[in-house]
Amino acid sequence: DIQMTQSPSSLSASVGDRVTITCRASQGISDYLAWYQQKPGKVPELLIYAASTLQSGVPSRFSGSGSGTDFTLTISSLRPEDVATYYCQKYYSAPFTFGPGTKVDLK
Amino acid sequence: EVQLLESGGGLVQPGGSLRLSCAASGFTLSTYGMSWVRQAPGKGLEWVSGFSNSGSKTYYADSVKGRFTISRDSSKNTLYVQMNSLRVDDTAVYYCARGPNRGNAFDVWGQGTMVTVSS
Repeated sequence: DIQMTQSPSSLSASVGDRVTITCRASQGISDYLAWYQQKPGKVPELLIYAASTLQSGVPSRFSGSGSGTDFTLTISSLRPEDVATYYCQKYYSAPFTFGPGTKVDLK
Repeated sequence: EVQLLESGGGLVQPGGSLRLSCAASGFTLSTYGMSWVRQAPGKGLEWVSGFSNSGSKTYYADSVKGRFTISRDSSKNTLYVQMNSLRVDDTAVYYCARGPNRGNAFDVWGQGTMVTVSS
């Protein structure tokens, strides 16, 4: 099975900072890569699918890029409401594995 | 409005069984790929089981294969997962989610239902 890794596992940043999270698949998954945001105590929400397509209603400060095995989630200017854990997920074929998550908090 | 509502969670002893339900509204569940995802306390997300969007295939994570069975009732627009031979490490919040479908991922999630396996 394809394994998903993320880095870093956690980060602290200031409001207004540019934040970058990396996700890597152990084998190529084309662009079948999604990013989710889970705020503390809340349900996960889809941010980006097809590696770079913003889900409806998601703020434009979020963006995704990559294809094959290496992917990136970028928050262009961090806001307090972005404090959350971010997960990548491959959905090319089952098992639809999630990455271990990246916890983002405020410095 | 598109919604998913899980039910059926609770406390069960190791070796016991439980059936979770996920009632869909605002869309026809049988025409979409659907999945169950769980999250153990303080841990990350783990995909558990799913239906293909054609409905003809089912999939399971290795951790639950042979113990969990996913099914659906089109007349009730409801997804199920029958969980047998439950173990302590099955303790988690169980979410149902719509996806993947037609290039999109898991775009709708339920609120989750807690399953606790403990003696």
